[in-house]
This record gives sequence, C-alpha cells and structure tokens, in this order.
Amino acid sequence: AQKVTQAQTEISVVEKEDVTLDCVYETRDTTYYLFWYKQPPSGELVFLIRRNSFDEQNEISGRYSWNFQKSTSSFNFTITASQVVDSAVYFCALSYAGGTSYGKLTFGQGTILTVHP
Amino acid sequence: DADVTQTPRNRITKTGKRIMLECSQTKGHDRMYWYRQDPGLGLRLIYYSFDVKDINKGEISDGYSVSRQAQAKFSLSLESAIPNQTALYFCATSDQGGSRSYNEQFFGPGTRLTVL
Repeated sequence: AQKVTQAQTEISVVEKEDVTLDCVYETRDTTYYLFWYKQPPSGELVFLIRRNSFDEQNEISGRYSWNFQKSTSSFNFTITASQVVDSAVYFCALSYAGGTSYGKLTFGQGTILTVHP
Repeated sequence: DADVTQTPRNRITKTGKRIMLECSQTKGHDRMYWYRQDPGLGLRLIYYSFDVKDINKGEISDGYSVSRQAQAKFSLSLESAIPNQTALYFCATSDQGGSRSYNEQFFGPGTRLTVL
C-alpha cells in the first residue's frame, strides 16, 4: 500500500519569509509519480508539479522549488519570499505509474499555510 | 468553459435522502475519479473508472455507487445519505499517457454536500 505523510498540519509565517512544506511517502513500486496541489480558499485544486520517480532533479518555478530525495522518500516544497496569496492548503500526492493501480492518487493530509502581511 | 464541471456546486439534504452528484468533462479523457475531502484527511478515492465498462471501488466506497453514462459523464450517488457523508466531493479525469499531461489528474471545482 502507498502512503503519503505531511507532518505539518498548519504553518503560519509572515510575508517574505521562506517556508518549506514537508512530504514523506511510502511505496513498494519502483515507478511512480509525485505531485503537489494547491487549494486556495475558493476551494479548487490547482496543479503545481509532477515528478517522475526516475527524475531526481530539483525544480524551480519562480518562487517555488521542489526537492525530491529518493533516498529519504521525501518530496519537499519550498516557497521563497512568501506572499499573502500563497495562503492555501497544500497537498502532496503519489500515484503508481503502471498496473491496475495506475493513475489513482493517494493524498497526504494537507498542510494549511497562512501567510500574514 | 471549464474542462471538468460538477453539478450541483452546493447541496444540503436530509438523512436518508438519495443524492446524485454529476461530473462532466470535455477533455476527452477515458479515466475518471471521485474523491471526497474531509478536514485533516486530505482527499480519499471513492470510485474510479478507466473506461465506460470499467468501474472500480476506491478506498472508501461503502455507502456510494457510481454510473459511467458515457466517456464524458461520471455520476456519484448516495443511496441513503447520512451525516458523516458531509464533505467536499471532487471529480477528476486523466488521460492514458503519451502526452505531456500523462498521469496528471484534472479536477472539477468540487461539490460541497451537507447531510443534516
């Protein structure tokens, strides 16, 4: 069975601080995908990134960066110079890449990020 | 227009009532999913369908049923709603691969259901 753990239930920061959201996963599959989604107060789910298990390169997109470490089964998400608009619930998710479980997402519990002005 | 739509967006109902939540997509994807979101639990998979004739139970299917009326439509039913089914419900779609969006799921806007 696969499992995703986001240890931080809530994080509160002041604008312009850097913040890292942790994600640890468990899977017996060798080929899988990892995702981060953002859920702003309006409720929709916004796709942020997908990472293939064979690609351990870190990725940066503007103020967002992701650190994938297969050795520790972690896929952490950092927001640099946070802004009030970053306030949201963030979900880490895991999906198998093959077999009958292909495509199904297992989500972490979510981290509520509040950025204060 | 949104690629994945859900109706209704909000619904309040009473215990014991039958409720149907509908999902439609214009993305041309074969795979569709229903999730529910509860505070502190993230999203959990209820049912999924890889094509019109292939429907599978997810992690928490008890108390729910689904119907895949067409490639573009996937409905979730609560035959006899109970208060602990109060949650935010999401429909999602994904393709089968061979494209840049391979394995990415596209979510609808969600349906907020309250069972009194």
